[in-house]
Amino acid sequence: QQPVQSPQAVILREGEDAVINCSSSKALYSVHWYRQKHGEAPVFLMILLKGGEQKGHEKISASFNEKKQQSSLYLTASQLSYSGTYFCGTERRGGSNYKLTFGKGTLLTVNP
Amino acid sequence: DTEVTQTPKHLVMGMTNKKSLKCEQHMGHRAMYWYKQKAKKPPELMFVYSYEKLSINESVPSRFSPECPNSSLLNLHLHALQPEDSALYLCASSQHPLAGVGTGELFFGEGSRLTVL
Repeated sequence: QQPVQSPQAVILREGEDAVINCSSSKALYSVHWYRQKHGEAPVFLMILLKGGEQKGHEKISASFNEKKQQSSLYLTASQLSYSGTYFCGTERRGGSNYKLTFGKGTLLTVNP
Repeated sequence: DTEVTQTPKHLVMGMTNKKSLKCEQHMGHRAMYWYKQKAKKPPELMFVYSYEKLSINESVPSRFSPECPNSSLLNLHLHALQPEDSALYLCASSQHPLAGVGTGELFFGEGSRLTVL
C-alpha cells in the first residue's frame, strides 16, 4: 500500500524551512527518503528505523513516529540546491521478501 | 565506485521490436531492482533480484522479461511493447536485499527513457 505524502507541493524562499510528511495505514518497518531533481535519478537521503532516533544530514533531518505510523522530513534554512521532488518510501513485506513502495512525492521549489 | 550505469539512455522502438535495457553496478551489491517511472509519478517497482535470483515480480506483463546474468549485471528484455509502456526505466541496487531493518539504501542509475511508437 502506497504511503501518503503531504503537502503535494511547497514553494519556499531561500533560507526558509519546510516539513514534508509521510504516513501509512500499515505498520512500518522503516522509512526511506529520496530526492529527485528534474531529469535525474533519485538520490538517497536517509533511512529511519522503527524505534530509531531522529536522523540528520546537514540541514536535513527526519523523524519517525511509530504511534502515528508517520515520518517527517525537516529542511531548515533551505538552499536553492534543495529544489526537487522528495519521495518517501516504506518497506513492506510481500511474502518472504520486503519491497520499497514510494509515495506520490512532494515537489519542493526554493526560489532566491 | 558508487555508480549504477544504465544503457541506453534513450530508446525508441516500435511495437514489434525486441530490445534490451542494461544495468551494471560494481559495488558488490547483492540486490538489484527495476523500477518504472512515468512523468510526475513515483517510481513503481517491477522486479527485484536477490543474490541473482528473481525474488519479486510485481505482476509485470510478460512483454517485460528480466535477466540477471551475474551479480553485477541486470537486463530488461523488451518485446511487443505498447505505447503506454513509454516511461523512464530505473535500475537500482542495494548492498543487501531489503529486510525491514533499514539496511537497504538504494542506489539508482540515471535511467533509460523508453518511447514506444
